[in-house]
Amino acid sequence: AQSVTQPDIHITVSEGASLELRCNYSYGATPYLFWYVQSPGQGLQLLLKYFSGDTLVQGIKGFEAEFKRSQSSFNLRKPSVHWSDAAEYFCAAIIQGAQKLVFGQGTRLTINP
Amino acid sequence: NAGVTQTPKFQVLKTGQSMTLQCAQDMNHEYMSWYRQDPGMGLRLIHYSVGAGITDQGEVPNGYNVSRSTTEDFPLRLLSAAPSQTSVYFCASSQGPQRQFFGPGTRLTVL
Repeated sequence: AQSVTQPDIHITVSEGASLELRCNYSYGATPYLFWYVQSPGQGLQLLLKYFSGDTLVQGIKGFEAEFKRSQSSFNLRKPSVHWSDAAEYFCAAIIQGAQKLVFGQGTRLTINP
Repeated sequence: NAGVTQTPKFQVLKTGQSMTLQCAQDMNHEYMSWYRQDPGMGLRLIHYSVGAGITDQGEVPNGYNVSRSTTEDFPLRLLSAAPSQTSVYFCASSQGPQRQFFGPGTRLTVL
């Protein structure tokens, strides 16, 4: 079955430290891939997306993600986190032409001052 | 543009009551969808619509009905609320299912 897995439920990093959030997908073909962020009490905001081409994708708020076909992964990174990055992050995937976006379980990010 | 709006923001129901969660968008998007968000489970698709008059089931459709009489509106109906439907509900819209714009959510508690 098609699925998206985020292995880390909760991650804590110090402000200014680097960040990597993991995402793995299980699909027969390479899906379109997304990262969304949800601040407390808010809806979801798209950080970045990958459809094809360059495997390193730049997004908003200083985030980037790298698609690795061999590892079926689409990990989100940020070189230096800010306290305002504390939120929940969701990876999502959909096959081209399909209608159903599938989300991972989410990773809650806490920032230590 | 207001984007995607949802009402109400909060709702408490008793078991067996019915209600409708409202969702509207002013971006002329064809695709609209409803998700529920539960701790540790991410967002799960309830129902979606690819245009006025066309709806289909998502991953967790049981206990919910939808209709799409206009491009702008996509209400979600709970026919007989159950405690298992306590959740946060998000509506989203887009030109296609890929890049979706999300509403602020409705937090529903069923007692």
